[in-house]
Order: sequence, then structure tokens, then C-alpha cells
Amino acid sequence: DAGITQSPRHKVTETGTPVTLRCHQTENHRYMYWYRQDPGHGLRLIHYSYGVKDTDKGEVSDGYSVSRSKTEDFLLTLESATSSQTSVYFCAISAPGGEQYFGPGTRLTVT
Amino acid sequence: QKEVEQNSGPLSVPEGAIASLNCTYSDRGSQSFFWYRQYSGKSPELIMSIYSNGDKEDGRFTAQLNKASQYVSLLIRDSQPSDSATYLCAVNSGTYKYIFGTGTRLKVLA
Repeated sequence: DAGITQSPRHKVTETGTPVTLRCHQTENHRYMYWYRQDPGHGLRLIHYSYGVKDTDKGEVSDGYSVSRSKTEDFLLTLESATSSQTSVYFCAISAPGGEQYFGPGTRLTVT
Repeated sequence: QKEVEQNSGPLSVPEGAIASLNCTYSDRGSQSFFWYRQYSGKSPELIMSIYSNGDKEDGRFTAQLNKASQYVSLLIRDSQPSDSATYLCAVNSGTYKYIFGTGTRLKVLA
């Protein structure tokens, strides 16, 4: 267990509302990631962070923003949720050896 | 576009048999390779990592890497019904970004 928690675990929200998902780690790892997983697409990188206040975009970053004010917390914000953002969201950390470990996931439904 | 390809399956094997899962990748600069197991409704769980050509064994699992042919495989010996899951292949090219395949669904028949 890599000590990664995500909150909330489930959320239903309406189109147009802002949503923030939280990832918390207890391992003090430098690199943190947000992925979404959809049938037929696998895991796709949204944003990642390589340190406090240091973030970069992944392949599907449109409509998402992130913030990392502390090593242990990485927040993902959907500024104005759309139905296409209905998905399962996973946070991950990268250990020094390169292995990634995943949090339990957040199932988000946008109605 | 860097890609990682896996057969989606399902791959069905009888209990006790060897399950062979394959993955090909397009980026010749890839350096690290990982296999994850994902049960339905759960998060991916790391099974194996492999970094150099050849075989790496861990219990019932063996990862095989062939960089010249750009493929990595996972063998599961003595397959059990509890091994039924989706197996994800992931590749890293040293940039701290990982590319995942869409996964192969394995069904082990009791």
C-alpha cells in the first residue's frame, strides 16, 4: 500500500458546476499524477506534478486544472464540468525506482 | 504519437495453465516497463517491473522484455481463478510520463 487516498470516492454533479478532487499521499514522493480511465481508452494522463507548485499538462488536460501547494496533496479541478468528463479518476505517485502506485479512484458522474 | 498496444481479449485459459499476455510499444527510447493487474471496479496494482532485456521472475509471474522487437510479455504460471482481471502494460521513456495500453482481460476457468 503506497499510502495514497482520494476524496471523494464517488460524486454526482451537474453540468456547469466546478468540481475538485483531492489526492493525498503519505510517502513524500515528488511526482504525482492524475489519470482518467474510460472504456476503450485505458488510462490517460491529465496532469502531473514534479514538485510543489510545479505541474505540467498531459494528453487530455483541456477542461482541467491542478494545484499542488504541499508535497502530500495534489488537487484536480474541473472548472465547469461537462458530461464528457464523466469518468473514473485515478491519482498516482511515482516511486524513485520508477514504479507508479495508484490511489483507489474517484467515480465522477456529470449529469 | 507514442503507443502501447495490447490485445483486449478476453483471453480464456483453464485453471492451472500458463497465461501469456503480450504488449508492443512504439517508442524505441522506452526504458522502463510495467505490468499492472486491475480487478473490476478497483485501481491498478503493480505486479512486475522490468528494465533490461530478458526474463524476470517473481513467484508465478515472469516478465519478458525484447527491446529489439519492442515487445514485453507477462507469463502467469499455474493460473488461478483469482488471476481473472484486466492486465495493463505501461511504458516509460524516462520522462516521468507513462503510456498505458488499454489492457487485456484474462479469464481463468475453474
